[in-house]
Amino acid sequence: QVQLQESGPGLVKPSQTLSLTCTVSGGSISSGSYYWSWIRQPAGKGLEWIGRIYTSGSTNYNPSLKSRVTISVDTSKNQFSLKLSSVTAADTAVYYCARTMIGLFDYWGQGTLVTVSS
Amino acid sequence: EIVMTQSPATLSVSPGERATLSCRASQSVSSNLAWYQQKPGQAPRLLIYGASTRATGIPARFSGSGSGTEFTLTISSLQSEDFAVYYCQQYNNWLGTFGQGTKVEIK
Repeated sequence: QVQLQESGPGLVKPSQTLSLTCTVSGGSISSGSYYWSWIRQPAGKGLEWIGRIYTSGSTNYNPSLKSRVTISVDTSKNQFSLKLSSVTAADTAVYYCARTMIGLFDYWGQGTLVTVSS
Repeated sequence: EIVMTQSPATLSVSPGERATLSCRASQSVSSNLAWYQQKPGQAPRLLIYGASTRATGIPARFSGSGSGTEFTLTISSLQSEDFAVYYCQQYNNWLGTFGQGTKVEIK
């Protein structure tokens, strides 16, 4: 059973860079034809797909965030990471990582709350 | 960007009754439509993909239908554990987009 776990600071100051890591267990991040995604959800609101990465390093980003997002992968550690620069209060949300199969999300991490505040 | 619109925003249903949730796409997504269930404090869980195929372990009371731009999720007989928020998501193109959600609450 694949499991995903997000980790990283829960508090980030405005204008700084949000950094999160997702650790995958129960299987190799490199096996199968999967992308690995980040999704976020502001409190009481819906889901927003941030971007995804294939283990080759190929990425796709949501155009609304593309200028500020970088997703990378470390296959040796079975991890992938998210960096979101120049954050504001609008970036406060629960951030999820998820395994992506043909565009849908079949396994999710439990989510981690990131608050942007000084 | 394909916009997904769900209705109603809130659905009040008594346990044992049927619930019907709708999802409309701003352009055709073929059958590339998934449904997720989210309970408070939890991550979403995949229920349905390919518009009508139940994911592993999902009870048969959940069913999906539709294609193109109009989709429906039906819960045939609501159980207490089914009260949650449900999201549809299209994956017809790489920029997968979600609906705003339908909250199914106890009547």
